[in-house]
Amino acid sequence: GQQVMQIPQYQHVQEGEDFTTYCNSSTTLSNIQWYKQRPGGHPVFLIQLVKSGEVKKQKRLTFQFGEAKKNSSLHITATQTTDVGTYFCAGETGANNLFFGTGTRLTVIP
Amino acid sequence: EAQVTQNPRYLITVTGKKLTVTCSQNMNHEYMSWYRQDPGLGLRQIYYSMNVEVTDKGDVPEGYKVSRKEKRNFPLILESPSPNQTSLYFCASSLIGSPITEAFFGQGTRLTVV
Repeated sequence: GQQVMQIPQYQHVQEGEDFTTYCNSSTTLSNIQWYKQRPGGHPVFLIQLVKSGEVKKQKRLTFQFGEAKKNSSLHITATQTTDVGTYFCAGETGANNLFFGTGTRLTVIP
Repeated sequence: EAQVTQNPRYLITVTGKKLTVTCSQNMNHEYMSWYRQDPGLGLRQIYYSMNVEVTDKGDVPEGYKVSRKEKRNFPLILESPSPNQTSLYFCASSLIGSPITEAFFGQGTRLTVV
């Protein structure tokens, strides 16, 4: 089936350091979405990227969609303790079904 | 308030005892999906549905059944649960489109099969 891999699986950072998670698909995606799941919570939508090479920002978060539409990244600048959680990417191939990545669990050390 | 409601939130059951986890959404979404979340494996899709009476297998459908008799409801059925189905389950819904819209998730159901 559709494969969407994320790296790293875990990341520990000191508060104030930057963080990046990468998402790679085995097939071309029509769009990609990013979600955040707080500890004990459910995934919550962050953003959707549709265009090749697209870059979007939400305050300290920067999202990129690769030129070939097979990869994406989420970068957090100057992490805060509120950034703790698991970040998932989810890709769609145009068939109206979402395939979620394996997730990156972020721990921020105060 | 737009929401996806799952019940129960927690369930402990014994091997072989049939159970149903309910999922209901109030947003008139066509697309609904079930996922299981296990450490290190992310969110793996069990079944999804594009509309009433239309369901398809995801990546890990074995041991599960679903039905979509009404647009708002998408129950997950475990006919004969086994310990390897112990997991955290999420239901989600979206509007079908080009592209598909953001997925709204339920609060999750933590299932333990002993």
